[in-house]
Amino acid sequence: EIVMTQSPATLSVSPGERATLSCRASQSVRSHLAWYQQKPGQAPRLLIYGASTRATGIPARFSGSGSGTEFTLTISSLQSEDFAVYFCQHYNNWPPYAFGQGTKVEIK
Amino acid sequence: QVQLVESGGGVVQPGKSLRLSCTASGFTFNTYGMHWVRQAPGKGLEWVAVISYDGSEKYYADSVKGRFTISRDNPKNTLYLQMNSLRAEDTAVYYCAKDGYYYDSGNLGFHDYWGQGTLVTVSS
Repeated sequence: EIVMTQSPATLSVSPGERATLSCRASQSVRSHLAWYQQKPGQAPRLLIYGASTRATGIPARFSGSGSGTEFTLTISSLQSEDFAVYFCQHYNNWPPYAFGQGTKVEIK
Repeated sequence: QVQLVESGGGVVQPGKSLRLSCTASGFTFNTYGMHWVRQAPGKGLEWVAVISYDGSEKYYADSVKGRFTISRDNPKNTLYLQMNSLRAEDTAVYYCAKDGYYYDSGNLGFHDYWGQGTLVTVSS
């Protein structure tokens, strides 16, 4: 079973700064990696799939990279609406489809 | 626009059963797989189950295998999750989610649209 590990658990960033979130898989998931954003009291929202493809309507400041076991989500210039929890998830060699434990992006 | 609306949550005693429903609109329901994902209070996301576009394939997380059953009624655009032998650790918000792959890809993967969730509380 593939385990997804995200770091850091919490990231403190000032508005306008760049945020870099990491996700590591315990074995290769090729490019079968998605990123989701979740705000308090809301359902998750798909940001990135295929490790680097932005979902419909997602702003260009969100970008994903990586393949195999190491992945990165970058938010180039944080806006107020970007403060949230971010989860990665693999969809290779399922089931199960494992999620990472999440990274909370908070205002510095 | 895609809409997914869950219902059926509530408070239930340990060992009892509950059936969740998810009504879909805004897309051709019978051409996409569907998932259930849950989130315990204050915790992360846990994938629960997936069903293929035609119901022929079903897969479950080990934590619910043998107790939960996923199903779908394509003419009614509705997804179900039958939950039996419920435990306190099943307490969570349950989300239904649409799979991102069209049926002819032969794949099941990420979740491109989610419902707002329904809360299931298992408590005596």
